[in-house]
Amino acid sequence: EVQLVESGGGLVRPGGSLRLSCAASGFTFNSYEMNWVRQAPGKGLEWVSYISSGGDTIYYADSVKGRFTISRDNAKNSLYLQMNSLRAEDTAVYYCARITYFVGFDYWGQGTLVTVSS
Amino acid sequence: DIQMTQSPSSLSASVGDRVTITCRASQSISNDLNWYQQKPGKAPKLLIYTASSLQSGVPSRFSGSGSGTDFTLTISSLQPEDFATYSCQQNYGTPRTFGGGTKVEIK
Repeated sequence: EVQLVESGGGLVRPGGSLRLSCAASGFTFNSYEMNWVRQAPGKGLEWVSYISSGGDTIYYADSVKGRFTISRDNAKNSLYLQMNSLRAEDTAVYYCARITYFVGFDYWGQGTLVTVSS
Repeated sequence: DIQMTQSPSSLSASVGDRVTITCRASQSISNDLNWYQQKPGKAPKLLIYTASSLQSGVPSRFSGSGSGTDFTLTISSLQPEDFATYSCQQNYGTPRTFGGGTKVEIK
């Protein structure tokens, strides 16, 4: 069974940092591209970042470029999101999501809440 | 960036109703369009990919159509478990943008 489990969310002050993790199981992690998608309270889904299966291709949404860093450790079946210079508008539930070519985001984690507030 | 616009933003319907949700892309995206269902406090669930392909395990009352810029998600006979928010998402370009969502509520 495919499982994605996020962790690392919490309350952080504006300007602070947080590192999210996503532990993957039930599939060959190093064969799949991965993403982070977020959802602000009461709002729609917003794609945040993408990383290829080998980690050599990375994309970011303009809203987080230069502040967030996506990475993965295929030996540990884990995906990460390092978030720096956090702003109030980064407050959201952050989901890790697997993407399958031609299919889309086919598996999602349960999400982890990040709250940026003083 | 490719903008995705859904309509309506919400609708009220009864069990057994036929429900149609539309999604429009700001440029042609061929058939690179997916639909997701999300219930409160839960992660999104993939329903339809490449505009009309049903994801494994999804009931056949869900269907998708369209290509280019205009797409439709149809629920042929609304069931109690279908009350949720539905979002479209384009897979054509980066960033992978989502529509704003359509909340389907009980009438």
